[in-house]
Formats: sequence, C-alpha cells, structure tokens
Amino acid sequence: AQKVTQAQTEISVVEKEDVTLDCVYETRDTTYYLFWYKQPPSGELVFLIRRNSFDEQNEISGRYSWNFQKSTSSFNFTITASQVVDSAVYFCALSDPYSGGYNKLIFGAGTRLAVHP
Amino acid sequence: EAGVAQSPRYKIIEKRQSVAFWCNPISGHATLYWYQQILGQGPKLLIQFQNNGVVDDSQLPKDRFSAERLKGVDSTLKIQPAKLEDSAVYLCASSLGLRDSSSGNTIYFGEGSWLTVV
Repeated sequence: AQKVTQAQTEISVVEKEDVTLDCVYETRDTTYYLFWYKQPPSGELVFLIRRNSFDEQNEISGRYSWNFQKSTSSFNFTITASQVVDSAVYFCALSDPYSGGYNKLIFGAGTRLAVHP
Repeated sequence: EAGVAQSPRYKIIEKRQSVAFWCNPISGHATLYWYQQILGQGPKLLIQFQNNGVVDDSQLPKDRFSAERLKGVDSTLKIQPAKLEDSAVYLCASSLGLRDSSSGNTIYFGEGSWLTVV
C-alpha cells in the first residue's frame, strides 16, 4: 500500500531561520511521482513541485529547495531565510500514474509552519 | 489562465439536510477530482472523473454522497442527508489527463468549499 508520513505536525520558527519539512513515503511501485503543496489560510492547495521517481537531482527554486533520496524514501523540503508569508500548512503527496491508481494523490497529514516576525 | 473555480465557499447546514457543491475545472482539463479534507488531516480522494465517466469512486460514501459531470466539464457533488462527520473542506481539482506523463500528472486545486454540519 502507498503511504506518506509527515512526522512533524507543527513547526515554529523566527523569520530568517532556515526550516526543513520532512516527508517519508512508502510504495512498491518503481514509477511514481512526489509532490509538495502549500495550503495558506485561504484553503487553496498551491502546487510547489513535482518530482518523478527516476530523477533524484535536488532542485532549488529561489528560497525553496528539495532533497529527494530514494535510498531512504524521503523527499524533504527546505525553506531558506523563512518569511512570515511562508506560514501555511505544507503537504507532501505521492501518486502512481501507471499502476491502476489513475493518478490518485495520497497525501500526508501535513506540517503546519508558523513563521514569526 | 483561470484556475479551478468552486462555489459556494462556505456553507452551514443542519444534520439531515442536503447540500450541493459546484466545480468548474481549468479549461481543457479532462480529469476532475473531488477531495474531502477533514480539519487537521490531508485531503482524501472521494471521486475521480475522466471526461464524464467515473474512474474511481471507491472512497465515496454512496449512501449519502453523489457526484456527476454530465457534459465532461462542470461537476456537482451532493450530500444527502448530511451527518456531523461530513464537516470538512471539499476540494475540487483538475488535471490534463489520467496519465499525462508530459506534465507529470500535476493536479491543480480550487480554494475549496467549507462545509459545517450542525
């Protein structure tokens, strides 16, 4: 069965601190996709990144970076120099588009990030 | 490009009443999803459409929930009769296709319809 675990329920940091959100996943499939979404108080899930299982290169986008390690089944998300606007709930998700899952997203429980001035 | 549109944004109903939510996906997106997000949890898929056909409704409580996408574009999700445990955010989402590898199957979400059952 597929599963996504986000062990950190809540994280509180002071502005300009770096913060890493952990994500561990379980799947028996060799082809899959991993995602991060941001959910601000408005409720909309905002797409941040997609990574396929064959691409283990780390990615950096501005203050955001992602570390994908298949050996440990982890897809961690780091925000550098955090800002108050980064305060939100962040979800890691897994999908298997080729094995009858019909692109179903399996979400973790989310990590609530609070960035204080 | 317009995103996924949902209405109403907020609804409060009494238990045993009915409610309907509407969704308009991103233009050109063949696949539409309804997710339920209970407070403090990650979203859970209720039903998935490809054009106007259902491809996955295994987690839809069919005794009280129904959904349709008659013309392959807009969709409605109905709950009748509502229970207290149905209080949640109902998120509509869309993607280009079931297995669109070129875009990595990215799913885009609307702002959600917040339901409170009292």
